[in-house]
Amino acid sequence: DAGVIQSPRHEVTEMGQEVTLRCKPISGHDYLFWYRQTMMRGLELLIYFNNNVPIDDSGMPEDRFSAKMPNASFSTLKIQPSEPRDSAVYFCASSDSRGTGYTFGSGTRLTVV
Amino acid sequence: AQKVTQAQTEISVVEKEDVTLDCVYETRDTTYYLFWYKQPPSGELVFLIRRNSFDEQNEISGRYSWNFQKSTSSFNFTITASQVVDSAVYFCALSENGIDDKIIFGKGTRLHILP
Repeated sequence: DAGVIQSPRHEVTEMGQEVTLRCKPISGHDYLFWYRQTMMRGLELLIYFNNNVPIDDSGMPEDRFSAKMPNASFSTLKIQPSEPRDSAVYFCASSDSRGTGYTFGSGTRLTVV
Repeated sequence: AQKVTQAQTEISVVEKEDVTLDCVYETRDTTYYLFWYKQPPSGELVFLIRRNSFDEQNEISGRYSWNFQKSTSSFNFTITASQVVDSAVYFCALSENGIDDKIIFGKGTRLHILP
């Protein structure tokens, strides 16, 4: 298995633009998580899905953030409009809840200028 | 509410020394999981171990060992005979309810192994 695949690896965008981050979980995993990592706040859970259904989005910072999982093999995290304070590394992870822990993707480094 | 505290922000040791990374957690649940993850300079997050709250046996994997003590709510991680490749940020994490959702991470400990 190729692991959790995130794209793009790096994204630089101007303030006010829409940004879409993509994630392909490991086949067979039924949980998918979006995390954000910053120096100040560390690793924060934004939202997670179980069987494509959002379970907890209490970590989504504002209405500017939205996430979808249209099928078991794809999820997006969208920021519209983006702001400089959204600059961070965004990680996607998936899990099968059988004791192996999460598998994380390589992350997307987002810079909003 | 669940909380994970890694009091050591940064540690530097000389290669071949042993080093222990501390982790203290808070939870109201009796069933929970504890984790350690490694984040090397390349940035990816690598799963190291998952422990459930009913298993207090210490675990050893090569040069890595973990000490879980419910009495002190601690899950400490020791690297024996450290190597430069061990340099990374190490995260302790916790999930409640006995299932693998909503893992909450500590702030991490940055470990420098000096040659």
